[in-house]
Amino acid sequence: DAGVIQSPRHEVTEMGQEVTLRCKPISGHNSLFWYRQTMMRGLELLIYFNNNVPIDDSGMPEDRFSAKMPNASFSTLKIQPSEPRDSAVYFCASSLAFSPEKLFFGSGTQLSVL
Amino acid sequence: QQQVKQSPQSLIVQKGGISIINCAYENTAFDYFPWYQQFPGKGPALLIAIRPDVSEKKEGRFTISFNKSAKQFSLHIMDSQPGDSATYFCVGTSGSRLTFGEGTQLTVNP
Repeated sequence: DAGVIQSPRHEVTEMGQEVTLRCKPISGHNSLFWYRQTMMRGLELLIYFNNNVPIDDSGMPEDRFSAKMPNASFSTLKIQPSEPRDSAVYFCASSLAFSPEKLFFGSGTQLSVL
Repeated sequence: QQQVKQSPQSLIVQKGGISIINCAYENTAFDYFPWYQQFPGKGPALLIAIRPDVSEKKEGRFTISFNKSAKQFSLHIMDSQPGDSATYFCVGTSGSRLTFGEGTQLTVNP
């Protein structure tokens, strides 16, 4: 298995633009997580899905952020409009529902909002 | 209640030495305590984990010590190697929710 695949690896955009980050979880994993990593705040859970259903989105910072999981093999995190303070590394991770503590992370998307 | 406090923030060790990272938690609902290792440009990866009914777990050069009454746990890396240089995160889990510590940047000098 190729592991969790995220795209793009790097994204540079201007303030106010829409940004879409993509994630393909490991086949067979039924839980998917979006994390954000910054120097100031560390690793923060934004949202997680179980069987494609959003379970906890309390970490989504504001309405500018939205996430979808239309099927078991694909998820998106969208920021509209983007702001410079959204600059961070965004990680997607997946796990099996019966071992949620064993997350498999992708390599992340480095987002820079100018 | 949700926090996991980790120290030190950074650690420099000579090759062959022992690296020790400490964590403390408040949330008594945590039911699993993994450690994740992160190399630059990569996502974190599970390194080793312990359940609160066990006081110690060893896997190769890596050992977790767990003190449930004090709500503290630590990672010991024996015979530290330059390849161990990475950022280490202690984690408390409750169901599917993982709470990460702030991270410790470990540098092992050759």
